[in-house]
Amino acid sequence: KNEVEQSPQNLTAQEGEFITINCSYSVGISALHWLQQHPGGGIVSLFMLSSGKKKHGRLIATINIQEKHSSLHITASHPRDSAVYICAVSTGSARQLTFGSGTQLTVLP
Amino acid sequence: DAGITQSPRHKVTETGTPVTLRCHQTENHRYMYWYRQDPGHGLRLIHYSYGVKDTDKGEVSDGYSVSRSKTEDFLLTLESATSSQTSVYFCAISDQGAAFQTQHFGDGTRLSIL
Repeated sequence: KNEVEQSPQNLTAQEGEFITINCSYSVGISALHWLQQHPGGGIVSLFMLSSGKKKHGRLIATINIQEKHSSLHITASHPRDSAVYICAVSTGSARQLTFGSGTQLTVLP
Repeated sequence: DAGITQSPRHKVTETGTPVTLRCHQTENHRYMYWYRQDPGHGLRLIHYSYGVKDTDKGEVSDGYSVSRSKTEDFLLTLESATSSQTSVYFCAISDQGAAFQTQHFGDGTRLSIL
């Protein structure tokens, strides 16, 4: 069983919809990261959080340490949000990340 | 944007040849990482460095070696490339460990081993 599980694997939404991507992990962690990868491959870090909630523009990330679960929300989705969203956790020595398999999001106009 | 440059960006080579990928940073960050990304496996850590001459293995280190002789450069070497090492390779940097700070990624190197 992977240490980091994401759902759904694929998600298609209409422009304007509220989107939620989930991440569950099975080990104790120091922090959880959300990353975005656009077609063409570039990877951008969106959030790093160890508790509570963070917001940046239309993106909101939450984490529940007790339940070992995090969610990434996108409000008022737009076609430019189409990308792969990747959850990753830092464990052990806290120097490195373990990644989920990613969620492919497609937002249709 | 963080100053990270990966070279080459694309490479095609034959099985059994040595290959070296370079990651160069201008941020003076302590931590540097090499990942590979494959369909069905996502991103996986190959090796990382936490300082000059200080490196450690990741999840998929077999067949790879690394060197960091100065802060700005982290080299990944495939001593004798195999077709299973065909992948997209990403370098990342961070001033602090992953528990404390986000990582900044390079643009990736697409490597094909024929």
